[in-house]
Amino acid sequence: GDSVTQMEGPVTLSEEAFLTINCTYTATGYPSLFWYVQYPGEGLQLLLKATKADDKGSNKGFEATYRKETTSFHLEKGSVQVSDSAVYFCALSDFDEGAQKLVFGQGTRLTINP
Amino acid sequence: KAGVTQTPRYLIKTRGQQVTLSCSPISGHRSVSWYQQTPGQGLQFLFEYFSETQRNKGNFPGRFSGRQFSNSRSEMNVSTLELGDSALYLCASSPGQGEKLFFGSGTQLSVL
Repeated sequence: GDSVTQMEGPVTLSEEAFLTINCTYTATGYPSLFWYVQYPGEGLQLLLKATKADDKGSNKGFEATYRKETTSFHLEKGSVQVSDSAVYFCALSDFDEGAQKLVFGQGTRLTINP
Repeated sequence: KAGVTQTPRYLIKTRGQQVTLSCSPISGHRSVSWYQQTPGQGLQFLFEYFSETQRNKGNFPGRFSGRQFSNSRSEMNVSTLELGDSALYLCASSPGQGEKLFFGSGTQLSVL
């Protein structure tokens, strides 16, 4: 079945450092790809999405490009802040019988030190 | 607009008991889906409902069930609880197919 693999964490960076979190996927079709973020004690929030090859999703300084040739959707940010500390999940959407199901990676915990 | 509301926020049960979790979607959203989050297995899809019909179910035993009411509110039930059912249960709603999912804060279930 479909699957998502993320780089293992935890990741610890200093404020203003460059961030990359790798994500690769396996899918039979052409799924939409997502990055979700989870802050402590909260549910998931959609950070960005891309629906087709070469699409770039962006939000709050984060970016990710849908690379069909490498089946990747790496998350990047040029200058991280302490407030970016959270767990980040890469996900793809899989439709079955008209129902959308998200398949998630294992999550990457990011800690930003001042 | 109010977000997705899940109740209760925390729940403690003992093995063998059953539990019911509740989810109120965003007003106007007709699709509700449930996910289980554990440190070992990560986030796993449980099931999805649209207009009171279950459209998809994940790979979970029959002890896990759910339903959706005519007002789109949803409940999930776990019978004969096991220690391994301890998890954060997340509910998400969307207007329909292919739409962005909005997640609630979850119900943290602890089985002792």
